[in-house]
Amino acid sequence: EAQVTQNPRYLITVTGKKLTVTCSQNMNHEYMSWYRQDPGLGLRQIYYSMNVEVTDKGDVPEGYKVSRKEKRNFPLILESPSPNQTSLYFCASSSRGGFTDTQYFGPGTRLTVL
Amino acid sequence: AQKVTQAQTEISVVEKEDVTLDCVYETRDTTYYLFWYKQPPSGELVFLIRRNSFDEQNEISGRYSWNFQKSTSSFNFTITASQVVDSAVYFCALSEYSSYGKLTFGQGTILTVHP
Repeated sequence: EAQVTQNPRYLITVTGKKLTVTCSQNMNHEYMSWYRQDPGLGLRQIYYSMNVEVTDKGDVPEGYKVSRKEKRNFPLILESPSPNQTSLYFCASSSRGGFTDTQYFGPGTRLTVL
Repeated sequence: AQKVTQAQTEISVVEKEDVTLDCVYETRDTTYYLFWYKQPPSGELVFLIRRNSFDEQNEISGRYSWNFQKSTSSFNFTITASQVVDSAVYFCALSEYSSYGKLTFGQGTILTVHP
């Protein structure tokens, strides 16, 4: 089954404790992206990757890091999480990342930073 | 800069009523795509429709229909004869030619359908 997976689905952590949210897709998509969803703001892009070793900032990159060492994986790293990063996070992928492509989303990761 | 506005924060209807979710967008690009996604209570995002800027034909899929009007920069979504299972958050999104695949989302509209 074609899908985007994320782990963990739920995470409660404390300020400053480094964490990684994994994202993997099995559709051989070149483009992957991370979004965060906050009430009243919709979804906003954090980082995106056009292909292996090619990443760039989205609209809200502060406090996040990403890497793309393999085509299928695109982990999101919070090196020193803060309470304002409490949010619902979605990973997405699409075939080539062109503006015509439909993006398919993972199930989401609900992160709480205390 | 690109922007998507869903002015209706919450809508509440009774089953079998028709309901329209509004979406207004701003873009400087002449080439772009518009999308609707559904987020049911379980939380995942489900793709509903994609429409390019050169195709203003309305689209119907079962009880769902979409009205794209370039003159008013709107891409509205109508559910006919709503059902309880339609209760969800609905997002409108914009993808521009110049945006490297980024989706710009509206704030979302919470639709509640009461039995």
